[in-house]
Amino acid sequence: DIVMTQSPLSLPVTPGEPASISCTSSQSLLRSNGHNSLGWYLQKPGQSPQLLIYLGSNRASGVPDRFSGSGSGTDFTLKISRVEAEDAGVYYCMQDLQAPVTFGGGTKVEIK
Amino acid sequence: EVQLVASGGGLVPSGGSLQLSCAASGFTFSGPAVHWVRQAAGKGLEWVGRIRGKAKGYATAYGASVQGRFTISRDDSKNTAYLQMNSLKTEDTAVYYCARRIEDSESFIDYWGLGTLVTVSS
Repeated sequence: DIVMTQSPLSLPVTPGEPASISCTSSQSLLRSNGHNSLGWYLQKPGQSPQLLIYLGSNRASGVPDRFSGSGSGTDFTLKISRVEAEDAGVYYCMQDLQAPVTFGGGTKVEIK
Repeated sequence: EVQLVASGGGLVPSGGSLQLSCAASGFTFSGPAVHWVRQAAGKGLEWVGRIRGKAKGYATAYGASVQGRFTISRDDSKNTAYLQMNSLKTEDTAVYYCARRIEDSESFIDYWGLGTLVTVSS
C-alpha cells in the first residue's frame, strides 16, 4: 500500500498570514500521462470532506485562488496564500494511483 | 446539483450485519465510480472500497480491514450504491461517506455525500 505522510499535525495560523502543508508518498504518484494522482481535501467541523486540489495542482471548481497545490512524484505541498477564518479545519492529502486509496493523517489548521 | 446521500446507519451488535445506501442525483449515475470512506470519531479518513462504473465492468476493490466482510454493489436504475457490511466488529464503528469519482484520467474523487453513523456494540 502507498503510505501518505503529512506534516505538520497541527498548524496555528494568524488570519492574513500564509500557511503550508506538506504531504509525502511512499511511492511516486506520477502517472504515464504526466498527472500526479494526488488530491487535497478540507474537512470543516461536522461536514464532509470537500475537494480543494486534484491531480496535484488543479484547483477544484469554486475553490478560492488563495489555495494552490504543487509538487510531483512523492513530495507535495498545499499552500494558502492568506489564511481566512473560514479555512479552519482538517486538511487531508489522498492518493488514488492504486487501490487501496490512502489518505494522509490530516493537518488541523487552527485560526489564532 | 450533484448530491450524494448515505443512509442506513444505526446501532448493530458485534457480529451483525447492516446495509448502507448511497442515493445519488444531479449526474448520470452509471458512469462514475462510487467510493466508500469511513471516519471513526476524532480520527482520520479510511478508504473502505469502491465500485467502478458500467464502462469499467462494475469492478470492485476493498481495503484490507474489510476485505471478505463488506460488499459494494450498485443499481444504476435506482441511482443508488450499496455497502453490505457483515460480521461487524466494534472497530467498524464510524461515520460512513460515499463519494463520486468520474472515470477519466483527469478526474478525482470530487463530491462527497453526507455521512451516516454506524455504531457496533460489543
